[in-house]
Amino acid sequence: DSGVTQTPKHLITATGQRVTLRCSPRSGDLSVYWYQQSLDQGLQFLIQYYNGEERAKGNILERFSAQQFPDLHSELNLSSLELGDSALYFCASSGGIPGFSEAFFGQGTRLTVV
Amino acid sequence: DQQVKQNSPSLSVQEGRISILNCDYTNSMFDYFLWYKKYPAEGPTFLISISSIKDKNEDGRFTVFLNKSAKHLSLHIVPSQPGDSAVYFCAASGAGTASKLTFGTGTRLQVTL
Repeated sequence: DSGVTQTPKHLITATGQRVTLRCSPRSGDLSVYWYQQSLDQGLQFLIQYYNGEERAKGNILERFSAQQFPDLHSELNLSSLELGDSALYFCASSGGIPGFSEAFFGQGTRLTVV
Repeated sequence: DQQVKQNSPSLSVQEGRISILNCDYTNSMFDYFLWYKKYPAEGPTFLISISSIKDKNEDGRFTVFLNKSAKHLSLHIVPSQPGDSAVYFCAASGAGTASKLTFGTGTRLQVTL
């Protein structure tokens, strides 16, 4: 158990809909990262938050947005969903000081868009 | 622009032998390198890391080697065990405030009996 909790584990929704994925980081971790893994491919970085503020942005579509709340949990919002958005979405968290710190991953949310 | 590359999508090794997984990177600003192991339907699990000030780090059966001049790192698993069968991701991070991890595409290791 990594200590990172993601809900829900599975999500099936229709095209055009909007969903929210939730992540609770490990206790004490200030950084939260979101990654997307499509079709058994590599992990694509989407976005990072550090203590409530956006820290780095990757290949995140404009239809996607995220935020980190004062209690440090994070949500990833995906809207106007398309079939190609079907993927595994992972959240990871790391320790307080950005830099040399490994990230610990949650179990992921499998999103299926039909 | 793939800054971290794992050119071998798969690798098959006999139990007891050495597994060598390779990773190349292009960004000279990367300062910290990690290996993650991933089983199907699970999140990646941190395995071992190395800072750019070192050229080797060992943890039990796992050793990571870093060649900064060649921008290359490798993970050695000795001896390989069937339970090591998984997808291995190489990741890299720069120092400083934007410490996001950039991942390679992964190498699927199969350890056969």
